[in-house]
Amino acid sequence: DSGVTQTPKHLITATGQRVTLRCSPRSGDLSVYWYQQSLDQGLQFLIQYYNGEERAKGNILERFSAQQFPDLHSELNLSSLELGDSALYFCASSRRGGEQETQYFGPGTRLLVL
Amino acid sequence: GNSVTQMEGPVTLSEEAFLTINCTYTATGYPSLFWYVQYPGEGLQLLLKATKADDKGSNKGFEATYRKETTSFHLEKGSVQVSDSAVYFCALSPSNDMRFGAGTRLTVKP
Repeated sequence: DSGVTQTPKHLITATGQRVTLRCSPRSGDLSVYWYQQSLDQGLQFLIQYYNGEERAKGNILERFSAQQFPDLHSELNLSSLELGDSALYFCASSRRGGEQETQYFGPGTRLLVL
Repeated sequence: GNSVTQMEGPVTLSEEAFLTINCTYTATGYPSLFWYVQYPGEGLQLLLKATKADDKGSNKGFEATYRKETTSFHLEKGSVQVSDSAVYFCALSPSNDMRFGAGTRLTVKP
């Protein structure tokens, strides 16, 4: 158990809908990262937050957004969903969000868009 | 740019066989290198890491050495078990985002 929690575990929705994925980092970790894992694209970095502020952005679509709250939990919002958004979404956390830090991963949220 | 290339799978071995999963990287600067493992239905778990050249990371019988001259970080285990069946990811962290290889699926048969 990494100490990172994610909810829900599974999510099934329809095209065009909007969903919110939630992540709670390990106790004491200030930085949260979001990743998307799909069969064709592999594991891709989406976005990083540190202590409530966006720190780095990867291959995140404009239809997707994220935020980190004062209690350090984070939410990833996916809107206008398409079939191709079906994937596993992982959250990870690290202590200070610095370069080369170990990231600890949650169990993931499996999203299926029908 | 910064990237990782790891050997294509799947890899199927018998129990107690020797394992090598190749990983090479391209990076500017001196990134940390990682191996993560993903068991069926679970998230990624850190297996081992190395932060500078010639460092050897090790955990649960797995080892990998950070080789700057060959830009490699190959994963090895002397005697695999059925419980090692999983997908293994090589990764590097040159900056805030972590770059992962495509993953190598390992199946160990009794």
